[in-house]
Amino acid sequence: AQTVTQSQPEMSVQEAETVTLSCTYDTSESDYYLFWYKQPPSRQMILVIRQEAYKQQNATENRFSVNFQKAAKSFSLKISDSQLGDAAMYFCAYRTNRLAFGKGNQVVVIP
Amino acid sequence: DADVTQTPRNRITKTGKRIMLECSQTKGHDRMYWYRQDPGLGLRLIYYSFDVKDINKGEISDGYSVSRQAQAKFSLSLESAIPNQTALYFCATSDSGTSTRQPQHFGDGTRLSIL
Repeated sequence: AQTVTQSQPEMSVQEAETVTLSCTYDTSESDYYLFWYKQPPSRQMILVIRQEAYKQQNATENRFSVNFQKAAKSFSLKISDSQLGDAAMYFCAYRTNRLAFGKGNQVVVIP
Repeated sequence: DADVTQTPRNRITKTGKRIMLECSQTKGHDRMYWYRQDPGLGLRLIYYSFDVKDINKGEISDGYSVSRQAQAKFSLSLESAIPNQTALYFCATSDSGTSTRQPQHFGDGTRLSIL
């Protein structure tokens, strides 16, 4: 079974500072994808960033970047220059045929 | 217009009632999914369908059933609702063309409360 673990249920960050969310996963597969989704209070699930397991280069999307360590099965998300609109629940997800989610990290942005 | 539309957006009902949650999509995707979200538990897969004739159970299918009426429509039913089925329900779609690579696209969720 696929398992995705997110520790640190809630993280606080000052506006304009950087916060890192950790995620680990358990798999025996070699071909898979990893995703971070954002869920703001509006409850929409919004794709933030994706990482292909076969790529060594870490994905980046504007202020969002990942640190993908395949051997360690680790996939952390870094939010730089945090903004008030970044306040949300963030879910790490692992995918082969199906998507398995972690339990989420709540990010609180302090003005 | 949303690509993945869920109806209703909110629903309050009583124990023992039959409930149907509907999902339709305009993305042309062949794969559709139903998830349940509970506080502190993330999203858990209830059922998924890879095409109209394919239905598969997810990790928490007990107490639920689904129907894939067309490629664009996938409904979730609770035959006899119970309070512990109170949750936020999401429908999602994806394209099988490059299945592993494609993210799933989510509807806005249905908040279901069972009294």
